[in-house]
Amino acid sequence: EVQLVESGGGLVQPGGSLKLSCVASGFTFRDYWMNWVRQAPGKTMEWIGDIKPDGSNTNYAPSVKNRFTISRDNAKSILYLQMSNMRSDYTATYYCVRLDYDGSFDFWGPGTMVTVSS
Amino acid sequence: DIQMTQSPASLSASLGETVSIECLASEGISNDLAWYQQKSGKSPQLLIYAASRLQDGVPSRFSGSGSGTRYSLKISGMQPEDEADYFCQQSYKYPPTFGGGTKLELK
Repeated sequence: EVQLVESGGGLVQPGGSLKLSCVASGFTFRDYWMNWVRQAPGKTMEWIGDIKPDGSNTNYAPSVKNRFTISRDNAKSILYLQMSNMRSDYTATYYCVRLDYDGSFDFWGPGTMVTVSS
Repeated sequence: DIQMTQSPASLSASLGETVSIECLASEGISNDLAWYQQKSGKSPQLLIYAASRLQDGVPSRFSGSGSGTRYSLKISGMQPEDEADYFCQQSYKYPPTFGGGTKLELK
C-alpha cells in the first residue's frame, strides 16, 4: 500500500525557516517524480514544486522560487521541503504528492499544517 | 500559467440525482486533466485522469469527459459519501494548475 506521511509543520514567524519531511513507503520511491502542493485555509490547491526521480532537477512555482528548496533521499525514501524567508501567506496545509506517469497526482499524504504568524 | 475556471462553486444535489461539474481551461490542454475529491479534513483522492479514465477503486458512477478547453465530471446518482469538494487539475503545461473547486452537498 502506497503511503506518504508528512511531518515538520508548525508555527513559524515571518522571515523564519522550516523544513518538512515526507516518508514514503509501499512503492519504489526512486522511480517517481515527487511534488509538494499546498492548500491555504478555504482555498484551492497550489502546486509548489517537484523533483526528478534521481534528484537532479527541480521546478518551483514563481511564488516560492528562491525561498523553497525541494530535495530527496532515495536511500531512505524521504522527500524534503526546506522553506525560508517565510511569509504570512504561506500559511497552509502542505501535501507530499506522487506524480503518476500520466501527469496526475495519484497519491497524497495526509498533509502537515504550517502557520506563519508573529 | 494555464487558468482553470471551475463551475459551479457550490452545488446541492438530492440522493440519486445526476450532477455535473465543469472546468474550462484558458487554452487547450489535450485531455491532460484530472479530477480529485476532497472530503472534509482529508487529503484529495484521484478520481479521473487523462480526462476520462477512472482511477482504480473509484465507483463507476463517476465519469469524466471533454476535450480541448472544456471538461466535465459527472456523478450518476448522488450518494451520501459523495458529499465533498471537487477539483480539476491540468498537467499539460508547467506549472500544474487547479480549478477553484466545487463544494457538493447532499440536499
